[in-house]
Amino acid sequence: EAGVAQSPRYKIIEKRQSVAFWCNPISGHATLYWYQQILGQGPKLLIQFQNNGVVDDSQLPKDRFSAERLKGVDSTLKIQPAKLEDSAVYLCASSLQITDTQYFGPGTRLTVL
Amino acid sequence: KQEVTQIPAALSVPEGENLVLNCSFTDSAIYNLQWFRQDPGKGLTSLLLIQSSQREQTSGRLNASLDKSSGRSTLYIAASQPGDSATYLCADLTQGGSEKLVFGKGTKLTVNP
Repeated sequence: EAGVAQSPRYKIIEKRQSVAFWCNPISGHATLYWYQQILGQGPKLLIQFQNNGVVDDSQLPKDRFSAERLKGVDSTLKIQPAKLEDSAVYLCASSLQITDTQYFGPGTRLTVL
Repeated sequence: KQEVTQIPAALSVPEGENLVLNCSFTDSAIYNLQWFRQDPGKGLTSLLLIQSSQREQTSGRLNASLDKSSGRSTLYIAASQPGDSATYLCADLTQGGSEKLVFGKGTKLTVNP
């Protein structure tokens, strides 16, 4: 079974630039998550989709972050404009349903200079 | 607001030792508790998931226990090996409104040959 795919793996940008991350979940998984993991911290949920509807985006900085899940499958997370404090690893995960085990992708390491 | 704490932040042991990692949470209204492993530069790998109605789960040399009344979970690793070196994270799936995983900061384990 193919795992959760993410791209790019690494990204370096200047502050105030924009960036987008892509995630392809495990086939058949209804729930998709985006997490932000700052060095030395545990992952923090940014947004959670059930199929293509948003379940929770309470911790998403909506003035600069946006996310969508196209046709209930792939998802993109965008940051515009980026700030220095956005430097982190962005992890995508998926699960069959909300209460099931979450499977994580390898993450995208973002550095904002 | 759910808070998850992991102690210690780092642990170094000689190969072959049995060890226990601790996790505590403030709100007992959870669906389940999950333990993950994270290798440097990688995403998270699910190790064990304990449902709120269960007391423990076992997989190979790993055993995780859950005591909701005291807000604690432990991950027991038997006969540790250098390949067990990684960061171990616990997370609970909160109830009440929006179900989401809340992570601790992790315990960085080093097993010395």
